[in-house]
Amino acid sequence: DAKTTQPPSMDCAEGRAANLPCNHSTISGNEYVYWYRQIHSQGPQYIIHGLKNNETNEMASLIITEDRKSSTLILPHATLRDTAVYYCIVRAGLRGGGADGLTFGKGTHLIIQP
Amino acid sequence: DGGITQSPKYLFRKEGQNVTLSCEQNLNHDAMYWYRQDPGQGLRLIYYSQIVNDFQKGDIAEGYSVSREKKESFPLTVTSAQKNPTAFYLCASSPPGPSETQYFGPGTRLLVL
Repeated sequence: DAKTTQPPSMDCAEGRAANLPCNHSTISGNEYVYWYRQIHSQGPQYIIHGLKNNETNEMASLIITEDRKSSTLILPHATLRDTAVYYCIVRAGLRGGGADGLTFGKGTHLIIQP
Repeated sequence: DGGITQSPKYLFRKEGQNVTLSCEQNLNHDAMYWYRQDPGQGLRLIYYSQIVNDFQKGDIAEGYSVSREKKESFPLTVTSAQKNPTAFYLCASSPPGPSETQYFGPGTRLLVL
């Protein structure tokens, strides 16, 4: 799996959009970009994933650059409950040979300020 | 109510004892995974199973064992051979498909006394 680079921590004001960057310059053509988050002492929660196109769901938006070497997770209206560690992961699906687990780094600790 | 359950939430073990952590899912997912998380660190893969009666070692399998006799269940045994077993253990499962999103249970925190 390609390696990812994320800032260790970020602050964001409540109600504002939180933009979390991720660099994955060695990503392969068959690798997806996944975002998970982990609230303290809980299991990670899936947020969103994408391959080439930008994606949006009820939780967040994922913007992937055209060259796929970086991406940004956007939480449009951050709340205090969004305070968590956010993990950016790149991985091929099963058909692409990615049959094993996800590789979690240290992620970005996002702190939402009231 | 579908989901992944892990029990117990907290588990205490005396040094030298084996202990088994439970993971059950009713999501009809084929693949299941076990991860370990140490304080301030990311998750590391212990074992995974893509199908019943088959499993593979992950990055840190030494001192652990698993079984996959049923699709719904993937228990993890922490053996006495695991020298530093105190950690947060997370189980996950994923449906078949090209992207294979993983869904996690609430975790079990193991403390060795």
